[in-house]
Amino acid sequence: QKEVEQDPGPLSVPEGAIVSLNCTYSNSAFQYFMWYRQYSRKGPELLMYTYSSGNKEDGRFTAQVDKSSKYISLFIRDSQPSDSATYLCSSGGFGNEKLTFGTGTRLTIIP
Amino acid sequence: GAGVSQSPSNKVTEKGKDVELRCDPISGHTALYWYRQSLGQGLEFLIYFQGNSAPDKSGLPSDRFSAERTGGSVSTLTIQRTQQEDSAVYLCASSRTGTSGGARETQYFGPGTRLLVL
Repeated sequence: QKEVEQDPGPLSVPEGAIVSLNCTYSNSAFQYFMWYRQYSRKGPELLMYTYSSGNKEDGRFTAQVDKSSKYISLFIRDSQPSDSATYLCSSGGFGNEKLTFGTGTRLTIIP
Repeated sequence: GAGVSQSPSNKVTEKGKDVELRCDPISGHTALYWYRQSLGQGLEFLIYFQGNSAPDKSGLPSDRFSAERTGGSVSTLTIQRTQQEDSAVYLCASSRTGTSGGARETQYFGPGTRLLVL
């Protein structure tokens, strides 16, 4: 079993819809949770970063972490065609430089 | 400012040959990471450098893989006697300090080197 599990999709939604992307993790030591966005043939770029449980909002993006259920979510409101990309969740432990990534969910926003 | 750069962008090699992949981190970043991205596998951590030292090499898949960093800047990932299963995108990332005081610095990724072993 991978330490971070993510549905690879692909996921297609119409423009303007709310998108929900999810991951689960198994390592209780994970304290840091990130979402990266990766466009085709580019490196991943950090989208959202959360420490421990809770919600974080940045514009149209909301990240949620529920440590009790080991569940990580990313919500995208008013989705745009430019949001079409692969979204990677990742987690890390305190004092450990290694990040563990999910396999990524490929998202397409249909105009 | 300039981001993380990697070279070459693409590399095609024959099975059994050695390859060297280069990473130029963001200037002043002390932490440097190598990851491998394969289809269906996501990003796999390979190695972490702090300055020129590699305190975590736990992700290197075999002794055919090695990496070094010189001058606290450029890093080279070397794969000896390449195998077809080594075909993947090799990504380098750097961060200002790594993890410091409990806070985790953002890792900035380069565009990757696409390696194809025939």
